[in-house]
Amino acid sequence: GAGVSQSPRYKVAKRGQDVALRCDPISGHVSLFWYQQALGQGPEFLTYFQNEAQLDKSGLPSDRFFAERPEGSVSTLKIQRTQQEDSAVYLCASSLGRDPYEQYFGPGTRLTVT
Amino acid sequence: AQSVTQLGSHVSVSEGALVLLRCNYSSSVPPYLFWYVQYPNQGLQLLLKYTTGATLVKGINGFEAEFKKSETSFHLTKPSAHMSDAAEYFCAVIKAAGNKLTFGGGTRVLVKP
Repeated sequence: GAGVSQSPRYKVAKRGQDVALRCDPISGHVSLFWYQQALGQGPEFLTYFQNEAQLDKSGLPSDRFFAERPEGSVSTLKIQRTQQEDSAVYLCASSLGRDPYEQYFGPGTRLTVT
Repeated sequence: AQSVTQLGSHVSVSEGALVLLRCNYSSSVPPYLFWYVQYPNQGLQLLLKYTTGATLVKGINGFEAEFKKSETSFHLTKPSAHMSDAAEYFCAVIKAAGNKLTFGGGTRVLVKP
């Protein structure tokens, strides 16, 4: 594809519901990243995949957050029992892996927990 | 731990005036440095990056930034602001041989006609 795509673009969830956010990286990109951007703040790292391996999940805020990339392409970020503090924009980025320092970002999913 | 500080959460400039956005980082090892721009309801777009080599880096849309190791700074400039430059700008670093980006808090730029 032309760029990183994310779906849905907007998600409203009632507190306690589970949500799943999808990321389609650029074709051929080995590395995939998830970031969380709270309103008025810079993005914060959540987790990182190289192919299907989750190499760093140090940024996941709680065990309610889970990410997977089973076939090394599409990734899903799942949040269980959503809380109001989970409201944020969730950004996905991918990179070639040969130059991991240039990450290409998707448009994000804006999650609102009511 | 690394941190990135952007001085000024909001900057207002007149069209045609100099744009200067400040970024300082704290790191025991010089990291790789980036500037990203974010337009409303869009993802982040890379403006420019410094990894190695020349410390004055030119990017897209007429922006440039200079890496100054002695000052641990990576300020972003553009000689003449355009209305289309109104957006939020983020400075970010990656520790050499690392992977995750650490972002500053962002600076929102308003361009006045």
